[in-house]
Amino acid sequence: DSGVTQTPKHLITATGQRVTLRCSPRSGDLSVYWYQQSLDQGLQFLIQYYNGEERAKGNILERFSAQQFPDLHSELNLSSLELGDSALYFCASSVGGGGDTQYFGPGTRLTVL
Amino acid sequence: QQQVKQSPQSLIVQKGGISIINCAYENTAFDYFPWYQQFPGKGPALLIAIRPDVSEKKEGRFTISFNKSAKQFSLHIMDSQPGDSATYFCAASISPGGKLIFGQGTTLQVKP
Repeated sequence: DSGVTQTPKHLITATGQRVTLRCSPRSGDLSVYWYQQSLDQGLQFLIQYYNGEERAKGNILERFSAQQFPDLHSELNLSSLELGDSALYFCASSVGGGGDTQYFGPGTRLTVL
Repeated sequence: QQQVKQSPQSLIVQKGGISIINCAYENTAFDYFPWYQQFPGKGPALLIAIRPDVSEKKEGRFTISFNKSAKQFSLHIMDSQPGDSATYFCAASISPGGKLIFGQGTTLQVKP
């Protein structure tokens, strides 16, 4: 158990809908990262927050957004969902803003029908 | 230039054998190279990591070999066990940022 929690574990929704994925980092970790894992694209970095501020952005679609709250938990919002958004979404956390070990949560499996 | 290329895509090894997975990168600014292990239904877990100031790092049965001039690094699993059967990802990042660039993954099967 990495100490990173993600909810929900599974999510099934329809095209065009909006969903919110939640992540709680390990106690004491200030950074939260979001990654998308799909069969064709592999593990792709989406976005990083450090102590409430956006730190780095990857190949995140404009339909996706994220935030980190004062209690350091983070949410990833996915809107106008398409079939191709079906994937595993992982959250990871680390102590500092970079170069530290990243601990991954168990992931949220999103299925868009 | 931000890519990390990993090979082979899949690997079958007999119990007790050596598993070797290779990765190559182009961006010389990368300075942190972790390997992650992922079991089905689980998130990736850090196995071992190296920085370019050393050429080799060993932790138990797992060894990273790093060749800075060739821009390549590899994971060696000695005395491979069926419990090592998993998907392995190499990754790279540039300090001080934390964004990890992952290889495509290698599915390892260790036969008893």
